Amino acid sequence: EVQVVESGGGLVQPGGSLRLSCAASGFTFSVFWMSWVRQAPGKGLEWVANIKEDGSEKYYVDSVKGRFTISRDNAEKSLYLQMNSLRAEDTAVYYCARVEGYCSTISCYKYFDYWGQGTLVTVSS
Amino acid sequence: EIVMTQSPATLSMSPGERATLSCRASQSVSSNLAWYQQKPGQAPRLLIYDTSTRATGFPARFSGSGSGTEFTLTISGLQSEDSAVYYCQQYNNWPLYTFGQGTKLEIK
Repeated sequence: EVQVVESGGGLVQPGGSLRLSCAASGFTFSVFWMSWVRQAPGKGLEWVANIKEDGSEKYYVDSVKGRFTISRDNAEKSLYLQMNSLRAEDTAVYYCARVEGYCSTISCYKYFDYWGQGTLVTVSS
Repeated sequence: EIVMTQSPATLSMSPGERATLSCRASQSVSSNLAWYQQKPGQAPRLLIYDTSTRATGFPARFSGSGSGTEFTLTISGLQSEDSAVYYCQQYNNWPLYTFGQGTKLEIK
């Protein structure tokens, strides 16, 4: 059974840092792109970051560029999100998601096929 | 950025009826459109991908259609457990994913 389980959320002051982790099981982690998606309280979904199978490509939504870093450890089957310079607007449930689909010579066409239960990050003084 | 707009924001239906949820893209996303179901307190769950392919575990009551900029999620024979928020998401503009704001489906 495919599972992804997030951890590391909590309460942090504005300007602070937090590192989220996602433990994967039930699939060959090293052959999938992975993502972080967040959801502010009572709001919709927002894609945050993607990372390629081998970690060689990383992409971010503009609002977190320069502050957040996505990484992975394929040996440990784990995904991470290092969040620095946190702001109140970063308050959200952060979901780890497996990315499925395909890439052509032109682009990739991938969606989120498995999601974790999420971990809550609250940025407040 | 491709903006995804869903309508209506809330849909109130009765058991057994058919619900039609709409999703519009600000520019063509071809058929690279997914739908997710999110029940209260739960993570989103992939419902449909590639506009019309149902994900594992969802019955044929759920169907998707459309292309380009106009997409529809249809749920027939509504059941109480279909109450959820449904999000559309485009993945044509790799790697910049965008979601719609969601449609809340209430079954009363």
